[in-house]
Amino acid sequence: EAGVAQSPRYKIIEKRQSVAFWCNPISGHATLYWYQQILGQGPKLLIQFQNNGVVDDSQLPKDRFSAERLKGVDSTLKIQPAKLEDSAVYLCASSWGGGGTDTQYFGPGTRLTVL
Amino acid sequence: AQSVTQLDSHVSVSEGTPVLLRCNYSSSYSPSLFWYVQHPNKGLQLLLKYTSAATLVKGINGFEAEFKKSETSFHLTKPSAHMSDAAEYFCVVSDRGAGKSTFGDGTTLTVKP
Repeated sequence: EAGVAQSPRYKIIEKRQSVAFWCNPISGHATLYWYQQILGQGPKLLIQFQNNGVVDDSQLPKDRFSAERLKGVDSTLKIQPAKLEDSAVYLCASSWGGGGTDTQYFGPGTRLTVL
Repeated sequence: AQSVTQLDSHVSVSEGTPVLLRCNYSSSYSPSLFWYVQHPNKGLQLLLKYTSAATLVKGINGFEAEFKKSETSFHLTKPSAHMSDAAEYFCVVSDRGAGKSTFGDGTTLTVKP
């Protein structure tokens, strides 16, 4: 079974530029998550989709971050414009359902450096 | 509201000795609890989870954790550390209904030969 795919693996940009990350979840998984992991901290949930609807985006900085999950499969997370404090690893995860007992399967992450 | 506190940011043990990684949680409801492991340059992987069945949970690679409601703890243990256990470990609390997960800040486990 293929795991969660993410691209790119690494990205370096200058502040005020824009950047987009892509995630392809495990086939059949209804729920998709985007997390931000700043160095030395645990992952922080940015947004959770169930199929193509948003379940939770309470911690997404909506003035600069946006995310979509078209057709309930792939997802894209965008930052525009980027700030220095956005430097982090962006993790995508998926799970079969959306309940709190489900195991989340994580991709390798995208490491973003903002200069 | 929910939160997780991992009581040690770094733990160092010798190979063959026991491992104890401590986690306390706070939750307004009956939560699910997880431990994930992150090896360098690899994705997060589930070690074990508690979802309201047996309070002593066994996971992969010889790890286990015990849910103690009275102490609001979910400590991770292993009888004998192996060099391959060196990694970052995250304790996670989750709302069983909405599925929102909150991660601790992680514990780095070092295993000395």
